[in-house]
Amino acid sequence: GQNIDQPTEMTATEGAIVQINCTYQTSGFNGLFWYQQHAGEAPTFLSYNVLDGLEEKGRFSSFLSRSKGYSYLLLKELQMKDSASYLCAVSDSNYQLIWGAGTKLIIKP
Amino acid sequence: ETGVTQTPRHLVMGMTNKKSLKCEQHLGHNAMYWYKQSAKKPLELMFVYSLEERVENNSVPSRFSPECPNSSHLFLHLHTLQPEDSALYLCASSQDYADSSYNEQFFGPGTRLTVL
Repeated sequence: GQNIDQPTEMTATEGAIVQINCTYQTSGFNGLFWYQQHAGEAPTFLSYNVLDGLEEKGRFSSFLSRSKGYSYLLLKELQMKDSASYLCAVSDSNYQLIWGAGTKLIIKP
Repeated sequence: ETGVTQTPRHLVMGMTNKKSLKCEQHLGHNAMYWYKQSAKKPLELMFVYSLEERVENNSVPSRFSPECPNSSHLFLHLHTLQPEDSALYLCASSQDYADSSYNEQFFGPGTRLTVL
């Protein structure tokens, strides 16, 4: 079967750095997405990785290792507004998105 | 209006009611999706429409009935639901369906459904 694993919940301090991991087992791989979802709002696109390595976009970076079936989202200089759920999704061999259950990130002052 | 909009944002209904959820996308996309989001569970893909034709129906109970009258609008008709159907129902759109690896989906804010 296809499976995406990510931690259910994480807590971090304002101004710090946090890394949210995602491991996947899918039938084929055509890229990995990270989405951010604030409570009661729409998920919004953060990043897309299809090749190994690190993609940096401001305070957010996303890393991919295809051989390990592993990705992480790195958030730097955390702000209170970063409190949200972070969803990992993999595009499989049929370009279908397989979703993780999301990681709820709590930022404390 | 921009992006993907959904109405209503909140809905409470009894098990014998009939209601409909509406989604509209203002992005000129060709594919539209219905997802169910329950707490601490992955997004469940329910239906996919591509160019107004249904292309995915992931074993969804018949009490959920989708309709796509044109490429901008998507409905989810609800009838004799069960309490376990209470969830957030998200609509999404993408430029095309399943034809490239980079196929970013744009989501609406969802309808929070409670079935009593």
